[in-house]
Amino acid sequence: GQNIDQPTEMTATEGAIVQINCTYQTSGFNGLFWYQQHAGEAPTFLSYNVLDGLEEKGRFSSFLSRSKGYSYLLLKELQMKDSASYLCAVRGRFSGGYNKLIFGAGTRLAVHP
Amino acid sequence: DTGVSQDPRHKITKRGQNVTFRCDPISEHNRLYWYRQTLGQGPEFLTYFQNEAQLEKSRLLSDRFSAERPKGSFSTLEIQRTEQGDSAMYLCASSSSGGDTQYFGPGTRLTVL
Repeated sequence: GQNIDQPTEMTATEGAIVQINCTYQTSGFNGLFWYQQHAGEAPTFLSYNVLDGLEEKGRFSSFLSRSKGYSYLLLKELQMKDSASYLCAVRGRFSGGYNKLIFGAGTRLAVHP
Repeated sequence: DTGVSQDPRHKITKRGQNVTFRCDPISEHNRLYWYRQTLGQGPEFLTYFQNEAQLEKSRLLSDRFSAERPKGSFSTLEIQRTEQGDSAMYLCASSSSGGDTQYFGPGTRLTVL
């Protein structure tokens, strides 16, 4: 089966750095995604990792270790607008071999002044 | 704006009624996905289309649920004899063949009274 774990809630201060961790167990791993979701809105794509290492995109970076089943999303220079849920999702060669995503429950990040 | 669109954005219905939702994917995307999201949880996969073919259905998709994509463009999701447990956000996403990223629409929020 598949299992994805991430912390339920985190708080941080404006201007600081925060790291959101995600661990997963899955068969046939074929990529890990991070999405941002503001309350009542659709998930918005942030990053994609399929190979080990760090992917940097502006203030956001995402890291993957396939051998450890571990990823993190790093947010730098936090802004109030970064207050949102952050969803970790794994793509695998599940039944039928098609590319559905399995999501974690999300981490609600609150950024305070 | 040429993103994924969904209609309606909100639907309130009484238990036992039938409802139908529509999704228009990004125009060049041939893959289309339906997910369901309840409060505090990540999206859960429901079904997947490649062009007009429905290639995978989740066990979450009971026989009251049916999805179609008749011409390989827009898709509809119908729920018959709605139950209070069907209350959720129904999200549609699309991706291109060989593309890695799924892009989500704004969702349809269903409330069953």
